[in-house]
Amino acid sequence: QQQVKQSPQSLIVQKGGIPIINCAYENTAFDYFPWYQQFPGKGPALLIAIRPDVSEKKEGRFTISFNKSAKQFSLHIMDSQPGDSATYFCAASKGDTGRRALTFGSGTRLQVQP
Amino acid sequence: DAGVIQSPRHEVTEMGQEVTLRCKPISGHDYLFWYRQTMMRGLELLIYFNNNVPIDDSGMPEDRFSAKMPNASFSTLKIQPSEPRDSAVYFCASSSHWGGSYEQYFGPGTRLTVT
Repeated sequence: QQQVKQSPQSLIVQKGGIPIINCAYENTAFDYFPWYQQFPGKGPALLIAIRPDVSEKKEGRFTISFNKSAKQFSLHIMDSQPGDSATYFCAASKGDTGRRALTFGSGTRLQVQP
Repeated sequence: DAGVIQSPRHEVTEMGQEVTLRCKPISGHDYLFWYRQTMMRGLELLIYFNNNVPIDDSGMPEDRFSAKMPNASFSTLKIQPSEPRDSAVYFCASSSHWGGSYEQYFGPGTRLTVT
């Protein structure tokens, strides 16, 4: 059962563009929503995360928008650069003690062309 | 800190053989996770430990898979006997509950090929 649905599967943008990656979740018990970035041959690394008590969070060029009523959240990359080319995963988890397991989306392969 | 350490980085084995993957979490972290990544199924959680105790192993695909954490600085994932469909990249990750951060730190992964 896929609890976190991610789209698109792949994305190509020009340098300076604003790629947007979308995720939707089903389980209303989820209360932590991170985005991970993965480069080829490497493990995923935390990029930015949000809790459902805020609708937006920015860290540098990366922004998460969160819509609790729609059970959707998205990642925006401002002024994208070729170095941002990677696979991006959204995830969700229930944060109570002992229940920290992340459920990942299927991933989006982003290519930023020079 | 060196981060999460996994060994071996690559493993090629024949069907039916036993495979053991190893993980050293970041010192002081009290959660340890094993994930499997494939093109078809993406990143799947197999099992996770808290303070060396398995908390949820519902993601372990079959009885052929087993995981142990004998102490806070070492964990193993064993597949016996291995099958070609076990070919994947296996990641270990660790995290700490201190400070309210849920960030999981991933190791570089072990690429397993079963022929």
